[in-house]
Amino acid sequence: AQKVTQAQTEISVVEKEDVTLDCVYETRDTTYYLFWYKQPPSGELVFLIRRNSFDEQNEISGRYSWNFQKSTSSFNFTITASQVVDSAVYFCALWYLDSNYQLIWGAGTKLIIKP
Amino acid sequence: DTEVTQTPKHLVMGMTNKKSLKCEQHMGHRAMYWYKQKAKKPPELMFVYSYEKLSINESVPSRFSPECPNSSLLNLHLHALQPEDSALYLCASSQDGGLAGDTDTQYFGPGTRLTVL
Repeated sequence: AQKVTQAQTEISVVEKEDVTLDCVYETRDTTYYLFWYKQPPSGELVFLIRRNSFDEQNEISGRYSWNFQKSTSSFNFTITASQVVDSAVYFCALWYLDSNYQLIWGAGTKLIIKP
Repeated sequence: DTEVTQTPKHLVMGMTNKKSLKCEQHMGHRAMYWYKQKAKKPPELMFVYSYEKLSINESVPSRFSPECPNSSLLNLHLHALQPEDSALYLCASSQDGGLAGDTDTQYFGPGTRLTVL
């Protein structure tokens, strides 16, 4: 079965702290893609990153970094020096070869950054 | 420019009303999607249009009727909705929806918050 688990329902940290959001996925396919989206209170889902199953290189984009580990089926997301504007719900999602347009979504992690 | 626009931002309607949600993208994408999102849940796929043809209908009730007049526009016609249909309706688009055994990133609009009274 294809599945994405975001075990952290809600995380609350103080501004400037580093925070890691966990994403664990399950798929039997060898070809798949993983995504992270951010959904601020305004509602729009903002694309953050897309990673295919053949590329295990970690990615850094400013204060954001992603750690893809096929051995543990995880695709974790770290925000360094968090800011209040990072407060949002973050979704991890999986696309696999036979999914026919479908993204398999995690339940989301609500991140609260306190000033 | 990764922009998908949706109108209206908010919509309140009665159960006997007919209304439409609109979505537009000018990125040259050939796949467009409607999602429904309830509070504190991930989005649920409703419909997919690929090259202006309906490719997926995820067993959505007939009171929701999608339409794709051209490659840039996507409508969702609403009729005789129920209060449980109240949700955030998100539109998304992608390059071609994964026709080549690959997938493209879906870019989302800001959504329409629908309340059915």
